[in-house]
Amino acid sequence: GAGVSQTPSNKVTEKGKYVELRCDPISGHTALYWYRQSLGQGPEFLIYFQGTGAADDSGLPNDRFFAVRPEGSVSTLKIQRTERGDSAVYLCASSPRPSGRVRNEQFFGPGTRLTVL
Amino acid sequence: GQNIDQPTEMTATEGAIVQINCTYQTSGFNGLFWYQQHAGEAPTFLSYNVLDGLEEKGRFSSFLSRSKGYSYLLLKELQMKDSASYLCAVREAAGNKLTFGGGTRVLVKP
Repeated sequence: GAGVSQTPSNKVTEKGKYVELRCDPISGHTALYWYRQSLGQGPEFLIYFQGTGAADDSGLPNDRFFAVRPEGSVSTLKIQRTERGDSAVYLCASSPRPSGRVRNEQFFGPGTRLTVL
Repeated sequence: GQNIDQPTEMTATEGAIVQINCTYQTSGFNGLFWYQQHAGEAPTFLSYNVLDGLEEKGRFSSFLSRSKGYSYLLLKELQMKDSASYLCAVREAAGNKLTFGGGTRVLVKP
């Protein structure tokens, strides 16, 4: 079946602009996650959705970052007034269940490479 | 906060064995994951440990000691395609988010 998909695969923008990054999770997966990965580092957690609601947004770096998942499927990560330091690969993942009690591994998408000039 | 440490880079020869260590200090623990990530690609799930001991899956094995805050990933019969980054990640008790180490880049040479 289809995996997690993300669009666009690459996004180049100018400092100060607004960007939206889209994630389509695996069908039927209730949990959706956003991570950010800089070159040579591991992914850094941003936000986690169970259904439509953000269960944990403790990783969002500041109020320029916002994410939604209005129908409990597709999610959009929104970044306002982009800064050069926002340049990174933004990864989305989904998992079958909301609970962390079983393996419930996360399936990652290919990411969106964001470059802020 | 959480701290997860793993070596930055390792080199090994095709056909050999490599062991990637991961140590963690976390406020909670609800499982440890290993992911493989080829350059420019998505991380893919390799293994999961929540109880102490060894989990074996083909050429890959993963070990966990919760009392020591320690895990390792063992790659046997190395192949050139195993050249990738290997990410250690801990799931904290309160939720389902993963905290990742910096990743270990493994280079397999002929």
